[in-house]
Amino acid sequence: EPEVTQTPSHQVTQMGQEVILRCVPISNHLYFYWYRQILGQKVEFLVSFYNNEISEKSEIFDDQFSVERPDGSNFTLKIRSTKLEDSAMYFCASRGDSLSYGYTFGSGTRLTVV
Amino acid sequence: QQQVKQSPQSLIVQKGGISIINCAYENTAFDYFPWYQQFPGKGPALLIAIRPDVSEKKEGRFTISFNKSAKQFSLHIMDSQPGDSATYFCAASAGSARQLTFGSGTQLTVLP
Repeated sequence: EPEVTQTPSHQVTQMGQEVILRCVPISNHLYFYWYRQILGQKVEFLVSFYNNEISEKSEIFDDQFSVERPDGSNFTLKIRSTKLEDSAMYFCASRGDSLSYGYTFGSGTRLTVV
Repeated sequence: QQQVKQSPQSLIVQKGGISIINCAYENTAFDYFPWYQQFPGKGPALLIAIRPDVSEKKEGRFTISFNKSAKQFSLHIMDSQPGDSATYFCAASAGSARQLTFGSGTQLTVLP
Protein backbone atom coordinates (compact mmCIF):
# COMPACT_ATOMS: atom_id res chain seq x y z
CA GLU A 1 0.00 0.00 0.00
CA PRO A 2 1.39 3.44 -0.91
CA GLU A 3 2.82 5.39 2.01
CA VAL A 4 3.67 8.95 2.91
CA THR A 5 7.28 8.99 4.11
CA GLN A 6 8.60 11.54 6.58
CA THR A 7 12.17 12.20 7.63
CA PRO A 8 13.65 12.49 10.13
CA SER A 9 11.51 10.59 12.61
CA HIS A 10 12.91 12.66 15.48
CA GLN A 11 14.79 15.95 15.43
CA VAL A 12 16.21 17.89 18.33
CA THR A 13 17.14 21.49 17.72
CA GLN A 14 18.30 24.48 19.70
CA MET A 15 15.87 27.32 20.22
CA GLY A 16 16.35 29.92 17.50
CA GLN A 17 17.64 27.46 14.92
CA GLU A 18 15.97 26.67 11.62
CA VAL A 19 14.67 23.19 10.86
CA ILE A 20 13.43 21.55 7.69
CA LEU A 21 11.02 18.66 7.93
CA ARG A 22 10.82 16.48 4.85
CA CYS A 23 8.02 14.47 3.34
CA VAL A 24 7.58 12.30 0.27
CA PRO A 25 3.85 12.18 -0.50
CA ILE A 26 2.20 9.39 -2.47
CA SER A 27 3.40 9.79 -6.04
CA ASN A 28 0.13 10.46 -7.86
CA HIS A 29 -1.44 12.61 -5.16
CA LEU A 30 -2.13 16.26 -5.88
CA TYR A 31 -2.95 17.78 -2.48
CA PHE A 32 -0.43 18.06 0.33
CA TYR A 33 -0.79 19.06 3.95
CA TRP A 34 1.08 19.67 7.16
CA TYR A 35 -0.55 19.13 10.53
CA ARG A 36 0.93 19.21 14.00
CA GLN A 37 0.07 17.53 17.26
CA ILE A 38 1.37 18.88 20.53
CA LEU A 39 1.86 16.02 22.99
CA GLY A 40 -1.47 14.78 24.29
CA GLN A 41 -3.51 17.26 22.27
CA LYS A 42 -5.53 17.12 19.11
CA VAL A 43 -4.18 17.25 15.60
CA GLU A 44 -4.16 20.80 14.20
CA PHE A 45 -4.12 21.93 10.59
CA LEU A 46 -1.18 24.05 9.50
CA VAL A 47 -1.25 24.40 5.72
CA SER A 48 -2.53 22.89 2.50
CA PHE A 49 -0.65 22.99 -0.80
CA TYR A 50 -1.97 22.43 -4.30
CA ASN A 51 -0.66 23.24 -7.75
CA ASN A 52 2.60 24.56 -6.31
CA GLU A 53 1.03 27.09 -4.03
CA ILE A 54 -0.54 27.38 -0.61
CA SER A 55 -4.32 26.93 -0.83
CA GLU A 56 -5.19 27.36 2.85
CA LYS A 57 -3.31 28.08 6.05
CA SER A 58 -4.23 28.32 9.69
CA GLU A 59 -3.48 31.04 12.21
CA ILE A 60 -0.63 28.87 13.47
CA PHE A 61 1.11 29.07 10.10
CA ASP A 62 2.67 32.50 10.49
CA ASP A 63 5.78 34.02 8.90
CA GLN A 64 7.95 31.62 10.89
CA PHE A 65 6.73 28.77 8.68
CA SER A 66 7.12 28.08 4.98
CA VAL A 67 6.46 25.14 2.68
CA GLU A 68 8.04 24.13 -0.57
CA ARG A 69 7.84 21.42 -3.15
CA PRO A 70 11.37 21.71 -4.52
CA ASP A 71 11.04 18.84 -6.99
CA GLY A 72 8.44 16.36 -8.14
CA SER A 73 8.58 14.20 -5.06
CA ASN A 74 9.52 16.11 -1.90
CA PHE A 75 7.35 18.40 0.20
CA THR A 76 9.08 20.33 2.97
CA LEU A 77 8.10 22.38 5.99
CA LYS A 78 10.64 24.95 7.15
CA ILE A 79 10.43 26.46 10.60
CA ARG A 80 12.64 29.50 11.08
CA SER A 81 13.90 30.59 14.49
CA THR A 82 12.31 27.72 16.40
CA LYS A 83 10.66 28.33 19.77
CA LEU A 84 10.08 25.96 22.66
CA GLU A 85 6.38 25.87 21.86
CA ASP A 86 7.13 24.51 18.39
CA SER A 87 7.91 21.16 20.02
CA ALA A 88 5.32 18.76 18.60
CA MET A 89 4.73 15.90 16.20
CA TYR A 90 4.50 17.20 12.67
CA PHE A 91 2.51 15.11 10.23
CA CYS A 92 2.60 15.34 6.48
CA ALA A 93 -0.41 14.08 4.54
CA SER A 94 -1.47 13.78 0.95
CA ARG A 95 -4.73 13.36 -0.90
CA GLY A 96 -5.35 12.09 -4.41
CA ASP A 97 -7.58 14.48 -6.30
CA SER A 98 -10.57 16.74 -5.84
CA LEU A 99 -12.94 13.77 -5.73
CA SER A 100 -11.06 11.77 -3.11
CA TYR A 101 -11.52 13.14 0.37
CA GLY A 102 -9.46 10.65 2.34
CA TYR A 103 -5.99 11.54 3.50
CA THR A 104 -2.94 9.38 3.94
CA PHE A 105 -0.80 10.58 6.83
CA GLY A 106 2.88 9.91 7.36
CA SER A 107 4.23 8.60 10.65
CA GLY A 108 5.36 12.05 11.67
CA THR A 109 8.48 13.88 12.76
CA ARG A 110 8.85 14.51 16.46
CA LEU A 111 10.43 17.94 16.82
CA THR A 112 11.96 18.79 20.17
CA VAL A 113 13.17 22.34 20.68
CA VAL A 114 15.55 22.74 23.62
CA GLN B 1 -17.83 27.50 14.89
CA GLN B 2 -14.97 25.53 13.39
CA GLN B 3 -14.69 23.24 16.41
CA VAL B 4 -15.55 19.57 16.54
CA LYS B 5 -16.33 18.45 20.08
CA GLN B 6 -15.54 14.85 20.98
CA SER B 7 -16.44 12.74 23.98
CA PRO B 8 -15.54 10.88 26.05
CA GLN B 9 -11.88 11.74 26.56
CA SER B 10 -11.15 8.16 27.58
CA LEU B 11 -13.06 4.91 27.41
CA ILE B 12 -12.46 1.49 28.91
CA VAL B 13 -14.35 -1.45 27.45
CA GLN B 14 -14.22 -5.18 28.05
CA LYS B 15 -13.26 -7.44 25.17
CA GLY B 16 -16.34 -8.21 23.13
CA GLY B 17 -18.15 -5.07 24.25
CA ILE B 18 -19.34 -2.10 22.22
CA SER B 19 -17.29 1.09 22.18
CA ILE B 20 -19.16 4.31 21.40
CA ILE B 21 -17.49 7.66 20.75
CA ASN B 22 -19.47 10.79 20.02
CA CYS B 23 -18.76 14.00 18.14
CA ALA B 24 -20.69 17.20 17.53
CA TYR B 25 -20.07 20.06 15.15
CA GLU B 26 -21.44 23.54 14.49
CA ASN B 27 -20.29 24.40 10.99
CA THR B 28 -23.02 23.30 8.58
CA ALA B 29 -20.58 23.64 5.69
CA PHE B 30 -18.82 20.45 6.81
CA ASP B 31 -19.62 17.72 4.31
CA TYR B 32 -17.20 14.93 5.08
CA PHE B 33 -16.81 13.22 8.45
CA PRO B 34 -13.94 10.75 8.86
CA TRP B 35 -12.75 8.84 11.88
CA TYR B 36 -9.04 8.28 12.38
CA GLN B 37 -7.28 5.69 14.51
CA GLN B 38 -3.88 6.53 15.95
CA PHE B 39 -1.43 4.22 17.66
CA PRO B 40 1.40 5.65 19.79
CA GLY B 41 4.19 7.06 17.66
CA LYS B 42 2.21 6.71 14.44
CA GLY B 43 0.24 9.04 12.25
CA PRO B 44 -3.55 9.00 12.15
CA ALA B 45 -4.94 6.29 9.87
CA LEU B 46 -8.31 6.64 8.19
CA LEU B 47 -10.74 4.14 9.67
CA ILE B 48 -14.11 4.99 8.17
CA ALA B 49 -15.84 8.08 6.82
CA ILE B 50 -19.33 9.30 5.99
CA ARG B 51 -20.96 12.00 3.90
CA PRO B 52 -24.07 13.76 5.24
CA ASP B 53 -26.39 12.28 2.65
CA VAL B 54 -26.52 8.97 4.57
CA SER B 55 -27.36 8.30 8.20
CA GLU B 56 -25.23 5.23 8.74
CA LYS B 57 -22.20 3.52 7.25
CA LYS B 58 -20.85 0.16 8.32
CA GLU B 59 -17.47 -1.40 7.54
CA GLY B 60 -16.86 -4.64 9.37
CA ARG B 61 -17.03 -4.02 13.11
CA PHE B 62 -17.01 -0.23 12.66
CA THR B 63 -20.17 1.83 12.14
CA ILE B 64 -20.66 5.57 11.83
CA SER B 65 -24.07 6.94 12.79
CA PHE B 66 -24.81 10.43 11.49
CA ASN B 67 -27.57 12.78 12.63
CA LYS B 68 -27.59 15.80 10.35
CA SER B 69 -30.33 17.70 12.17
CA ALA B 70 -28.56 17.33 15.51
CA LYS B 71 -25.13 17.92 13.93
CA GLN B 72 -23.77 14.86 15.65
CA PHE B 73 -22.01 11.73 14.55
CA SER B 74 -20.67 8.75 16.40
CA LEU B 75 -18.40 5.77 15.98
CA HIS B 76 -19.50 2.35 17.18
CA ILE B 77 -16.97 -0.44 17.48
CA MET B 78 -18.71 -3.79 17.84
CA ASP B 79 -17.03 -6.80 19.46
CA SER B 80 -14.17 -4.59 20.66
CA GLN B 81 -10.76 -6.28 20.75
CA PRO B 82 -7.56 -5.46 22.67
CA GLY B 83 -5.97 -4.63 19.32
CA ASP B 84 -8.50 -1.79 18.98
CA SER B 85 -6.83 -0.01 21.91
CA ALA B 86 -5.74 3.30 20.40
CA THR B 87 -6.68 6.95 20.24
CA TYR B 88 -9.63 7.73 18.01
CA PHE B 89 -10.20 11.13 16.43
CA CYS B 90 -13.29 12.32 14.69
CA ALA B 91 -12.83 15.02 12.10
CA ALA B 92 -14.75 17.11 9.61
CA SER B 93 -13.88 18.93 6.43
CA ALA B 94 -15.33 21.31 3.90
CA GLY B 95 -14.27 23.44 0.96
CA SER B 96 -11.90 22.78 -1.89
CA ALA B 97 -8.78 22.45 0.29
CA ARG B 98 -10.57 19.87 2.47
CA GLN B 99 -8.59 20.79 5.56
CA LEU B 100 -9.53 18.58 8.47
CA THR B 101 -10.81 19.93 11.78
CA PHE B 102 -10.12 17.28 14.39
CA GLY B 103 -11.87 16.47 17.63
CA SER B 104 -9.82 16.26 20.82
CA GLY B 105 -9.48 12.48 20.70
CA THR B 106 -10.66 9.49 22.73
CA GLN B 107 -8.21 7.08 24.24
CA LEU B 108 -9.82 3.65 24.02
CA THR B 109 -8.60 0.76 26.14
CA VAL B 110 -10.07 -2.67 25.52
CA LEU B 111 -9.40 -5.03 28.39
CA PRO B 112 -8.68 -8.68 27.56
